[in-house]
Amino acid sequence: KQEVTQIPAALSVPEGENLVLNCSFTDSAIYNLQWFRQDPGKGLTSLLLIQSSQREQTSGRLNASLDKSSGRSTLYIAASQPGDSATYLCAVILTGGGNKLTFGTGTQLKVEL
Amino acid sequence: EPEVTQTPSHQVTQMGQEVILRCVPISNHLYFYWYRQILGQKVEFLVSFYNNEISEKSEIFDDQFSVERPDGSNFTLKIRSTKLEDSAMYFCASSGNREGGIYGYTFGSGTRLTVV
Repeated sequence: KQEVTQIPAALSVPEGENLVLNCSFTDSAIYNLQWFRQDPGKGLTSLLLIQSSQREQTSGRLNASLDKSSGRSTLYIAASQPGDSATYLCAVILTGGGNKLTFGTGTQLKVEL
Repeated sequence: EPEVTQTPSHQVTQMGQEVILRCVPISNHLYFYWYRQILGQKVEFLVSFYNNEISEKSEIFDDQFSVERPDGSNFTLKIRSTKLEDSAMYFCASSGNREGGIYGYTFGSGTRLTVV
């Protein structure tokens, strides 16, 4: 059974700092990995999608990397802003295992002025 | 940018009552899903739907749950006899093809269901 874990569970940083969020998964036979943002009481906003054949994806200040062999992905946020404060979730789809997403536990990020 | 629309945003119901949560997926998507998130817990998969039938369901999705695509645009989740433990945020999602494809999943903003 695929288990997805995110470290740290919570993170507080001053504005402008670069930061890294970590995601690990137990089954490396993934089809893709997706990072989402969730604001309190709100839905899930897709940030980045990495296919299993890719090593990284970039969108603006966000960069996500994927290392299938070690079962890890990182989300790098450059020059953090208070508006980045949210919970960040990673989720994976297994190859040949249907098309459901298995979500991680989330990292709650607070960027302070 | 295309969106997945969910209604209502909040619903309060009495235990034992039936509820129907509604979703309008992205029009050219083929796969539809329901997930739920109990407060403070992980987002959990409930069911996926393709070609007018369930393609996969979790052990959470028991006989009390059903899904339907009654027309060309709506996708509904019905809970027949709600229990207190059904209180959660329910998310609808859609994707262009199996396994999320190259564009991934798009989620709706959720329906917060409170069973009292």
